[in-house]
Amino acid sequence: ETAVFQTPNYHVTQVGNEVSFNCKQTLGHDTMYWYKQDSKKLLKIMFSYNNKQLIVNETVPRRFSPQSSDKAHLNLRIKSVEPEDSAVYLCASSWDRSSYEQYFGPGTRLTVL
Amino acid sequence: GDSVTQTEGLVTVTEGLPVKLNCTYQTTYLTIAFFWYVQYLNEAPQVLLKSSTDNKRTEHQGFHATLHKSSSSFHLQKSSAQLSDSALYYCALSDLMGYKLTFGTGTSLLVDP
Repeated sequence: ETAVFQTPNYHVTQVGNEVSFNCKQTLGHDTMYWYKQDSKKLLKIMFSYNNKQLIVNETVPRRFSPQSSDKAHLNLRIKSVEPEDSAVYLCASSWDRSSYEQYFGPGTRLTVL
Repeated sequence: GDSVTQTEGLVTVTEGLPVKLNCTYQTTYLTIAFFWYVQYLNEAPQVLLKSSTDNKRTEHQGFHATLHKSSSSFHLQKSSAQLSDSALYYCALSDLMGYKLTFGTGTSLLVDP
């Protein structure tokens, strides 16, 4: 049963456009994450939020900005997409810290033309 | 920073035979937990195994792994591979602060009949 929900499933856009992805978890977890999985299946952390507070901000281009309204929601906005942004963006959540298991959503596949 | 090395990009094994996926790591800090995540085709990654105790064997779904801090390794093994084990396997570690998972590059396991 899916407990981490992501929308949309797919998004195709052109270079320079703005896109937003949504993530919601119904597990009651305190911490949420955004990961990028590229075409080679490399999985890298982008952001971590704990109780709406930004905790981890990896070396991510400034056009990426996370937004958290409450601890159950974490959105990702990309201001002006570039071709290298084409990837699957995975949202995850866990209790408190990542030393606990993370539960992943199904991902949003972004294609930038 | 932390790093996780998975030397094999692809491992192919015949059904019923044993399989081993290698994972070694480097960390400059005290690391809290180690994981194996599995990602089946068109699905989200999910946790397979977790360990934070040196030299203790952890088992789940027929797979097992033992954390060896002396050799900085956390190899994944199974005595008899099944067709349904075909998937992408990630080794990962959690940092001291616990808000970030560092993933290896992943190993694709293909089990042939």
